[in-house]
Amino acid sequence: DVKVTQSSRYLVKRTGEKVFLECVQDMDHENMFWYRQDPGLGLRLIYFSYDVKMKEKGDIPEGYSVSREKKERFSLILESASTNQTSMYLCASTISGTSGLELQYFGPGTRLTVT
Amino acid sequence: GEDVEQSLFLSVREGDSSVINCTYTDSSSTYLYWYKQEPGAGLQLLTYIFSNMDMKQDQRLTVLLNKKDKHLSLRIADTQTGDSAIYFCAETSLSGNTGKLIFGQGTTLQVKP
Repeated sequence: DVKVTQSSRYLVKRTGEKVFLECVQDMDHENMFWYRQDPGLGLRLIYFSYDVKMKEKGDIPEGYSVSREKKERFSLILESASTNQTSMYLCASTISGTSGLELQYFGPGTRLTVT
Repeated sequence: GEDVEQSLFLSVREGDSSVINCTYTDSSSTYLYWYKQEPGAGLQLLTYIFSNMDMKQDQRLTVLLNKKDKHLSLRIADTQTGDSAIYFCAETSLSGNTGKLIFGQGTTLQVKP
């Protein structure tokens, strides 16, 4: 079974703090993703990575950065947390393929509250 | 641009059928997906359908695809309280082999005993 783990289930941070969210997958997947989930807005893609040290902006990258130093680990960084970044953050991974079938495997999510 | 739309809420009685609807914009999507999110958890893949099919059945789940209208639906037969969750439909992004998906807003299914 594919396993995607996230470093924390719940996190409370203060405005202006630097926040690190870690994601690890154990299936040697090339592609990894960070989403935020807000009620009524669904999942919005923040950043994704298709290889080590490679990253691409998603739909809402502002206020976030990412790091992928090892294939299994993808980190999301909030340089200076703000209250509008209070959200559920979901990490996912998938293997790269040419068939068009993209099976994304999700971690359990981190609920971040910024006060 | 790429867009996937769903209604936000559906309430049914236990034992009834549930039908969750979704519309998408990218007619070149090769696969369309349904994910389920239980309270406090991440998303899990429920099922997917290849774009050249119009129906797929898997136990209590039936997926119907109308390519002409770009409409996807998920029918859950004999809905149980354990089916209460948020259901997301998704399509493959135009980005190709990066594995990127475009998700709808999610439909919260409430099952009343």
